[in-house]
Amino acid sequence: AQSVAQPEDQVNVAEGNPLTVKCTYSVSGNPYLFWYVQYPNRGLQFLLKYITGDNLVKGSYGFEAEFNKSQTSFHLKKPSALVSDSALYFCAVRDKYNFNKFYFGSGTKLNVKP
Amino acid sequence: KAGVTQTPRYLIKTRGQQVTLSCSPISGHRSVSWYQQTPGQGLQFLFEYFSETQRNKGNFPGRFSGRQFSNSRSEMNVSTLELGDSALYLCASSIRRESEAFFGQGTRLTVV
Repeated sequence: AQSVAQPEDQVNVAEGNPLTVKCTYSVSGNPYLFWYVQYPNRGLQFLLKYITGDNLVKGSYGFEAEFNKSQTSFHLKKPSALVSDSALYFCAVRDKYNFNKFYFGSGTKLNVKP
Repeated sequence: KAGVTQTPRYLIKTRGQQVTLSCSPISGHRSVSWYQQTPGQGLQFLFEYFSETQRNKGNFPGRFSGRQFSNSRSEMNVSTLELGDSALYLCASSIRRESEAFFGQGTRLTVV
């Protein structure tokens, strides 16, 4: 079975501070991992993905994520948070056999305070 | 290029009615999948279509069905609506395993 877990329902951070949103995965074989962001009443916007290669992945809007195989983690990070980063963040893993089927985490609400 | 388009954006239906939602994928994308998003259950996979064939279905009752047309546009149908079907329905299109999925803005269905 494939799954991802986001252990924090909410993360609060002050503007200008670094942020981390945590994700762990459970996959047999090599995982295809993704981060998406959702603003209220909108669809999901792609941030970044890990398919293979460098463990540090850079994505949109200054976000990056580190793939850690030994800890089965794929945490999302940003060096300096903006108020406009406040949104709902989802970690996802692609199904092993079907490329348009994803398993999503429960989501983490990021609050960036001025 | 145009993104994934879902229509309508908002719907209000009465219990017992049926509803049809539409999704137009990005040009060239032959795979369309559907998800239901609710505050309690999060994002749950409904089904996936590729070249007019349903390849996967999630754990939803038979009231939820879908189809895909030759131009890759997809529709999902929910019959005999229940209050618990109120949700944001998202569709996503993708082109290959290494690519991300692109999501539409969603259809907000409210059942009263």
